[in-house]
Amino acid sequence: KAGVTQTPRYLIKTRGQQVTLSCSPISGHRSVSWYQQTPGQGLQFLFEYFSETQRNKGNFPGRFSGRQFSNSRSEMNVSTLELGDSALYLCASSLDSVSYEQYFGPGTRLTVT
Amino acid sequence: AQSVTQLGSHVSVSEGALVLLRCNYSSSVPPYLFWYVQYPNQGLQLLLKYTSAATLVKGINGFEAEFKKSETSFHLTKPSAHMSDAAEYFCAVTRNSGNTPLVFGKGTRLSVIA
Repeated sequence: KAGVTQTPRYLIKTRGQQVTLSCSPISGHRSVSWYQQTPGQGLQFLFEYFSETQRNKGNFPGRFSGRQFSNSRSEMNVSTLELGDSALYLCASSLDSVSYEQYFGPGTRLTVT
Repeated sequence: AQSVTQLGSHVSVSEGALVLLRCNYSSSVPPYLFWYVQYPNQGLQLLLKYTSAATLVKGINGFEAEFKKSETSFHLTKPSAHMSDAAEYFCAVTRNSGNTPLVFGKGTRLSVIA
């Protein structure tokens, strides 16, 4: 069974631009969560989608948004990029509840210059 | 609210020595606990999980962890370190009910010396 895939793997953007990251979960998984990983803050939860509905949201500004499609694929968008948004963005999928096993993708490395 | 504290941001052991990575959690309700490993330029891989069954949990690659409620701990151990164990390890906690996100510790980088 194919794992979680994320595209693109690397991205360089300029301050003020916006960016869209994509995540394809493991087949049959309905929950997709997004995390931001930085050296200073560690792993921080962004949001979780289940059956196209946002079920949980972390403490991030409204510039961070996401959505989930009917095939469970998910995208996250960051508008008006800031230097501090440079991070590894990880997507994780789970079969049902986010409280159980999550399978992580390799991440998208975003650099904002 | 839940939280995780991982003692030691960097641990160094000799090849063949015992690996002990410490994790203490705080939770007002019975927790589910996890250990993940992250290799360079990769995502996180689940090592093992505690979901209120046996308190001694065995995971992949020879790792195990013991849930100790009285000490609010979930330390990760491996009897004999291998060079391939060098990575970053994350402890995470969530509630055992409801759909709540994982809360991760800051991580512990494990180095293995030949």
